[in-house]
Amino acid sequence: GAGVSQSPRYKVAKRGQDVALRCDPISGHVSLFWYQQALGQGPEFLTYFQNEAQLDKSGLPSDRFFAERPEGSVSTLKIQRTQQEDSAVYLCASSWDRPTGELFFGEGSRLTVL
Amino acid sequence: KNQVEQSPQSLIILEGKNCTLQCNYTVSPFSNLRWYKQDTGRGPVSLTIMTFSENTKSNGRYTATLDADTKQSSLHITASQLSDSASYICVVSTSGGYNKLIFGAGTRLAVHP
Repeated sequence: GAGVSQSPRYKVAKRGQDVALRCDPISGHVSLFWYQQALGQGPEFLTYFQNEAQLDKSGLPSDRFFAERPEGSVSTLKIQRTQQEDSAVYLCASSWDRPTGELFFGEGSRLTVL
Repeated sequence: KNQVEQSPQSLIILEGKNCTLQCNYTVSPFSNLRWYKQDTGRGPVSLTIMTFSENTKSNGRYTATLDADTKQSSLHITASQLSDSASYICVVSTSGGYNKLIFGAGTRLAVHP
């Protein structure tokens, strides 16, 4: 595709619900990243994939957060039993085959947990 | 602890004026430093990327500087336009295989007519 696409753009969940956020990276991009951005803050790293392999998940805040990229393209970030502190914008970014290359970000999925 | 600090937190300037945003970092090992522009409700967009050996890089009206000795960077915006209103985020990448990026909190710039 022309850019990184994320869906849904907005999600409202009741506390305790499970949510799934989708990321469609730019076609052919090997590296994929998920970030969490709280209001008024910079993004914080959650996890990194190289193709289908999750090479770093050190930023996931708890075991309620789970990410996958089973075929090395589309990725899903799942949050189980959502809590109010999970409210944030979740950004996905992808890059070409050089892991230190330029990142292209999606527009984010804004999650609000009531 | 790896950290990126930006100042000021927010800034208001008049259209046509210049401004300079600051970034200090304590990130090791250092790979590169990037400046991103983030419009409200959008994802960040890259403005410049500088490696250790580069001390200045321009992208149109945006000029970034890097002093790797003092671990400081600045982003200078010339002849500001209303469309420059956004958050500007300084990001430092650690070396070691992939883009482990450390983001600053950003400077929110408002350009008024």
